[in-house]
Amino acid sequence: DQQVKQNSPSLSVQEGRISILNCDYTNSMFDYFLWYKKYPAEGPTFLISISSIKDKNEDGRFTVFLNKSAKHLSLHIVPSQPGDSAVYFCAASVDAGNMLTFGGGTRLMVKP
Amino acid sequence: EAGVAQSPRYKIIEKRQSVAFWCNPISGHATLYWYQQILGQGPKLLIQFQNNGVVDDSQLPKDRFSAERLKGVDSTLKIQPAKLEDSAVYLCASSPRGGAQHFGDGTRLSIL
Repeated sequence: DQQVKQNSPSLSVQEGRISILNCDYTNSMFDYFLWYKKYPAEGPTFLISISSIKDKNEDGRFTVFLNKSAKHLSLHIVPSQPGDSAVYFCAASVDAGNMLTFGGGTRLMVKP
Repeated sequence: EAGVAQSPRYKIIEKRQSVAFWCNPISGHATLYWYQQILGQGPKLLIQFQNNGVVDDSQLPKDRFSAERLKGVDSTLKIQPAKLEDSAVYLCASSPRGGAQHFGDGTRLSIL
């Protein structure tokens, strides 16, 4: 039973354009959501988070949107850069500091 | 700030052998997690410690996996005996109270 799903295994975007990565969840108890970026042979790196009391959180080029009624969140990267090429994981927990349930990841390729 | 340290980076063993992984979390982080990441999937929680106490080990295969966090700082994860399906990357993460989890680079385990 996959409680967190990333339905697109890969995404290719031109440099300078917007990248939109999507994530769906099924557990209505999830209250805290995060995005991680992972390069090969490295651990996941924390990017941005959002709690359920908000519907948007922004940090530089990265914005996360949360739609609780649809149980859907998305990560927008604007503008996309070649260095953004990596695997992106969304994760959810019932509370900050609790165990994370991860999606399967989306591989983003930003072409120069 | 030093990140989460893990060793070894790689380990190759034969099935039925034993193996141990070590993790040193970020200084001051009370919560420590061990995750298993199988190729092509997102990380899956094995065990969560709060200081030196276990918070959640419901997904730890206790017949072969064990973990400890003596003195509430470093942690070790052991597999005894290893099976072929244990081939994965083992990730350690730590978090401050109520904060995002930060991951180490992991130990890649190959079982022959």
